[in-house]
Amino acid sequence: QTVVTQEPSFSVSPGGTVTLTCGLNSGSVSTTYYPSWYQQTPGQAPRTLIYRTTIRSSGVPDRFSGSILGNKAALTITGAQADDDSDYYCVLYMRGGTWVFGGGTRLTVL
Amino acid sequence: QVTLRESGPALVKPTQTLTLTCTFSGFSLSTSGMCVSWSRQPPGKALEWLARIDWDGDKYYSTSLKTRLTISKDTSKNQVVLTMTNVDPVDTATYFCARTIRNYGSDYYYYMDVWGKGTTVTVSS
Repeated sequence: QTVVTQEPSFSVSPGGTVTLTCGLNSGSVSTTYYPSWYQQTPGQAPRTLIYRTTIRSSGVPDRFSGSILGNKAALTITGAQADDDSDYYCVLYMRGGTWVFGGGTRLTVL
Repeated sequence: QVTLRESGPALVKPTQTLTLTCTFSGFSLSTSGMCVSWSRQPPGKALEWLARIDWDGDKYYSTSLKTRLTISKDTSKNQVVLTMTNVDPVDTATYFCARTIRNYGSDYYYYMDVWGKGTTVTVSS
């Protein structure tokens, strides 16, 4: 069974930089998984931040960036702001045309 | 402007069939490259991808739920319907639909870009 792994929680100080990662229990994440990242605050719909590893969705500020770091996909927030305090989910595109979400990372900005 | 809105029953009894509708505007499912996906999120838990239907009628389902899910589209009504059979209390969740785009280029890929606000379904007797 494919399991997508994310850090359960992370904290960052306002103005700081944080990198969240997205891995696989059975191998490395590469660009061929076309990783995407979503931000979600409680009770709200997800907001698309990044797709195809590095492409920012429309209206997303450039302090959000995506990459592959080692064997994982990564979301870096540079100059964290208070309203970045949210849950962050990655999703990987699998052979066969399906997606698998990670368990999410709760990011606290304080 | 692209918008999507999910609708369906708020309460369903165990073993019943759940039918959810995604009504959208701002794009057409008859346009090449346009798709709609469904995902869900149990209270306090992570998102789970469920299914996708493409402009050409191709359908894709979560490996773990594919025997219980059916996705269909009505292009004339700008609607996508997801049915889930034999529901159980563990299916209690907020269900989201999202516009999904297939990119054409040197490498083709899909991505979900605009999401609906979700509809909450409770499975209980």
